[in-house]
Amino acid sequence: EVQLVQSGAEVKKPGESLRISCTASGYSFTSFWITWLRQMPGKGPEWMGKIDPTDSYTTYSPSFQGHVTISADKSANSVYLQWTSLKTSDTAVYYCARWKGGSSFDPWGQGTLVTVSS
Amino acid sequence: QSALTQPASVSGSPGQSITISCTGSSGDIGAFNFVSWYQQRPGKAPKLLIFEVTERPSGVSSRFSASKAGNTASLTVSGLQAEDEADYYCSSYAGSKVLLFGGGTKLTVL
Repeated sequence: EVQLVQSGAEVKKPGESLRISCTASGYSFTSFWITWLRQMPGKGPEWMGKIDPTDSYTTYSPSFQGHVTISADKSANSVYLQWTSLKTSDTAVYYCARWKGGSSFDPWGQGTLVTVSS
Repeated sequence: QSALTQPASVSGSPGQSITISCTGSSGDIGAFNFVSWYQQRPGKAPKLLIFEVTERPSGVSSRFSASKAGNTASLTVSGLQAEDEADYYCSSYAGSKVLLFGGGTKLTVL
């Protein structure tokens, strides 16, 4: 079974750093790009960027470029989403998903709730 | 680029059919045959229902169908069942660094 399993919920203060993870199983990890998406309460998902696990080449949405970093570790079948200085506006559920081309994401991880509050 | 436009809510009775629209522009839905639809139940991750405008992944019920005309895509759910009650999102490719989602439509089965 193809699965993406994400790390658990996080509670952070503004200005803190954070890295969340997404670990893939059930398929060849380097065969598909992995994407990260943000979903704020009551809103639709927003595409943040994607990474090719083969060589860690990344593409970011202009809306998120410079605010987050996406990385990958082939030896761990894992992809990461990192912030160096969180803001309260980063509070959201973050999903990783396998990108199958176009606007097709399947499957999705279970989501990681990130809460940033002083 | 702006998000795609969906109605906030639709409803129907069991056994009926409903259609959800998704309006974009000539730069996204109108330009590419890369429209997808997702179902999201409360507290769960979105699930892919439709990709490349009309294609269903293996395991998705044939009661879900979709189409596109110009800058507008549509998802039809036929033979409504209680389990179809969820939020539905459309998505469109709009370039190598642009992937758009709609704001979501809440489907209520009466």
